[in-house]
Amino acid sequence: IEVTQSPSSLAASVGDRVTITCRTSQNIKSYLNWYQQKPGTAPKFLIYGASSLQNGVPSRFSGSGSGTDFTLTISSLQPEDFATYYCQQSHVAPYTFGQGTKLNI
Amino acid sequence: EVQLVESGGALVRPGRSLRLSCAGSGFTFENYAMHWVRQAPGKGLEWVSGISWNNGRIVYADSVKGRFTISRDNAKNTLYLQMDSLRPGDTALYYCAKPKTLVPGSLDLWGQGTLVTVSS
Repeated sequence: IEVTQSPSSLAASVGDRVTITCRTSQNIKSYLNWYQQKPGTAPKFLIYGASSLQNGVPSRFSGSGSGTDFTLTISSLQPEDFATYYCQQSHVAPYTFGQGTKLNI
Repeated sequence: EVQLVESGGALVRPGRSLRLSCAGSGFTFENYAMHWVRQAPGKGLEWVSGISWNNGRIVYADSVKGRFTISRDNAKNTLYLQMDSLRPGDTALYYCAKPKTLVPGSLDLWGQGTLVTVSS
């Protein structure tokens, strides 16, 4: 299953609302996860099942979608949110990742 | 503390072999499938391989199929990745990862990674 993220990079400011899109080549129901990665660190798990927030993740993060089209929304950007975001399908192995979206100041 | 610690990364020549290890602690290792994910320098994440809790199901990415072998020793709480016929394109930071309970493939715990460099 191919996973396509857009945009590949995005410039935004503190307080902005941003949306990242993920599209899959097949229907994956709601088996879609989101991760955040900062330079020099391992990815951090944010959202699973397309819309369920992992424990400890701030509520400004939200996910939506099903089938082949999904979104990650950050309602009000904070300085610590500037990072690269990846989606990943977990419907069928191999569990492919999107190419990533780098969120810049 | 719940953690995963990878080891075994090194600089190797093309065509050679290397075995990575990942030690889990702070959780019941034998209850979970486990995965390897890699990240080439400056690039995105690539899922490499996964193994079920009892070795009953193993899956590989097409890019490593036939060259890499995933295995585990539940008595030692350790996951392995045997990498043969290494290529320069296998150069990457290799992470092991554990899935969230009851959510297969959703990786909620990651190690710090171990670096594999394939170069002559």
